[in-house]
Amino acid sequence: KNEVEQSPQNLTAQEGEFITINCSYSVGISALHWLQQHPGGGIVSLFMLSSGKKKHGRLIATINIQEKHSSLHITASHPRDSAVYICAVTWRRRSQGNLIFGKGTKLSVKP
Amino acid sequence: NAGVMQNPRHLVRRRGQEARLRCSPMKGHSHVYWYRQLPEEGLKFMVYLQKENIIDESGMPKERFSAEFPKEGPSILRIQQVVRGDSAAYFCASSLSGDTQYFGPGTRLTVL
Repeated sequence: KNEVEQSPQNLTAQEGEFITINCSYSVGISALHWLQQHPGGGIVSLFMLSSGKKKHGRLIATINIQEKHSSLHITASHPRDSAVYICAVTWRRRSQGNLIFGKGTKLSVKP
Repeated sequence: NAGVMQNPRHLVRRRGQEARLRCSPMKGHSHVYWYRQLPEEGLKFMVYLQKENIIDESGMPKERFSAEFPKEGPSILRIQQVVRGDSAAYFCASSLSGDTQYFGPGTRLTVL
């Protein structure tokens, strides 16, 4: 069993839909990261959070430490949101640079 | 302010050759991380460095792989005697003080 599990693996949505991607983890963490990997391969860090909720534009990330669960929401989705979204955690027992990654959720938004 | 730069973007090597991958962190960043993404697989941590020091190399194979981040110049990930299984995308990231990581565009290594 992976230490970081994401669901769904693949997601197809129509433009304008509200999207939720889930991440569950099994270890004690000091931080959780959401990353976006573009079709060309580049990676962008979207959020780093250790509690509560963060919002940036149409993206919202939440984390529930007790339940070891995080969600990434995209409101009013757009085709340009099509990418792989990756959840990663910093395990409390490891150095802060040692991220453990989920396998990613491939999102495709159709016009 | 330029982002994280990696070069080369694509590197082709024959089995047994050496591969050197370079990473220039964002200006002012002293924390550098290297990750590997094998084809059709997720990202895996390799090594975490601060200037002149290796902080955590627990993800790096024990043989043939080494990394450095000298006082001056870029961080280097060196792979000696490459094998086909080393073919992957290698990403570098940097951070100011261990917080948000900024990723480079990656180096795609192909071993023939």
